[in-house]
Amino acid sequence: DTAVSQTPKYLVTQMGNDKSIKCEQNLGHDTMYWYKQDSKKFLKIMFSYNNKELIINETVPNRFSPKSPDKAHLNLHINSLELGDSAVYFCASSQAYGTGYTFGSGTRLTVV
Amino acid sequence: KQEVTQIPAALSVPEGENLVLNCSFTDSAIYNLQWFRQDPGKGLTSLLLIQSSQREQTSGRLNASLDKSSGRSTLYIAASQPGDSATYLCAVYYGGATNKLIFGTGTLLAVQP
Repeated sequence: DTAVSQTPKYLVTQMGNDKSIKCEQNLGHDTMYWYKQDSKKFLKIMFSYNNKELIINETVPNRFSPKSPDKAHLNLHINSLELGDSAVYFCASSQAYGTGYTFGSGTRLTVV
Repeated sequence: KQEVTQIPAALSVPEGENLVLNCSFTDSAIYNLQWFRQDPGKGLTSLLLIQSSQREQTSGRLNASLDKSSGRSTLYIAASQPGDSATYLCAVYYGGATNKLIFGTGTLLAVQP
């Protein structure tokens, strides 16, 4: 049983399209996150949600909109995709802040 | 500014060697520190989590130490194996107003058979 699962694993799309990435965790964690890993492999937080409430919103273009229908799910919707959005996006969860993070396997987004 | 740096950026060693990966952080007011492993094209696997009150954690051939006052952590890998080849990431959690996990730049390890 996968603890944090993301779909799709790979996503290739054209500039200007709108796409969504889904994330689900079955760990019973209260907090979920989206991280972006750029071409240099550097990981940076984008958003965090605690029990469906947005807690952290880093300097991310407003084309990126997270949605948390319940505390086990945190989806990421991206409007008007740009070439620079190409990256690997990781979902993660933790029981509470500072209790250790569990990451999903990532979604490799390629914008052409 | 809270930054996390890892040295070296890349490391190649022959099988069987003991090795040390370094992580340094600019703000010592951490809540905890977590070491991850990332295989090519894969997600992150948590290796060890050290709370700010702890000095070290061990799991099998891995030992992580934490010196909060000097802003440093090391990951010691004993008797390295080719299967240890991966990118190792250090991540520091700051609570309070920061409330986020800040990642280091990573060390790419290659263990030669």
